[in-house]
Amino acid sequence: KAGVTQTPRYLIKTRGQQVTLSCSPISGHRSVSWYQQTPGQGLQFLFEYFSETQRNKGNFPGRFSGRQFSNSRSEMNVSTLELGDSALYLCASSFNSGANVLTFGAGSRLTVL
Amino acid sequence: SQQGEEDPQALSIQEGENATMNCSYKTSINNLQWYRQNSGRGLVHLILIRSNEREKHSGRLRVTLDTSKKSSSLLITASRAADTASYFCAPDVGRDDKIIFGKGTRLHILP
Repeated sequence: KAGVTQTPRYLIKTRGQQVTLSCSPISGHRSVSWYQQTPGQGLQFLFEYFSETQRNKGNFPGRFSGRQFSNSRSEMNVSTLELGDSALYLCASSFNSGANVLTFGAGSRLTVL
Repeated sequence: SQQGEEDPQALSIQEGENATMNCSYKTSINNLQWYRQNSGRGLVHLILIRSNEREKHSGRLRVTLDTSKKSSSLLITASRAADTASYFCAPDVGRDDKIIFGKGTRLHILP
């Protein structure tokens, strides 16, 4: 079966712009989690959605938001981009919320100039 | 939720040797997972060990879990160049809590 698909794979934005990243989970998976990975901070948890509801949230400012659709696809949005938002954004899906094996996508690499 | 702490931060060994990395955590867990990440790519799940298990094998991987010491170890036997990657442990407390990752162990296999 198809894996987790993230789009776009690469993107370049300038400070102050906003960006939307998309994640299509494995068919049948209802939970989608988002992570930000940077060389300095490592892999940090952003949020998790399960059945269109945000179930868990990390410690990120309100500029970072997300949502999940009825088909379990998820989007995350970052508004008013800052240089420090440059990162690899990873999406992972699992069958249930928490306590399950995560299947990751290849990531979306965002560069903010 | 809780974050595992991997040790060492970095490890270089010769191809063919065994690699051992450790993970410590702080509170009771439901299970513990290990993941691998090749440079700049998504993480790949390697193995899950439940709290009532002490050891688990998968191919060249052996994972142990000591809940009394709140620690786990991942052993990769007969290492290969393709094992060069970062390895992360993920203690899972269950109860629909989020899974968070530590800094990982960067493993480099020397030819």
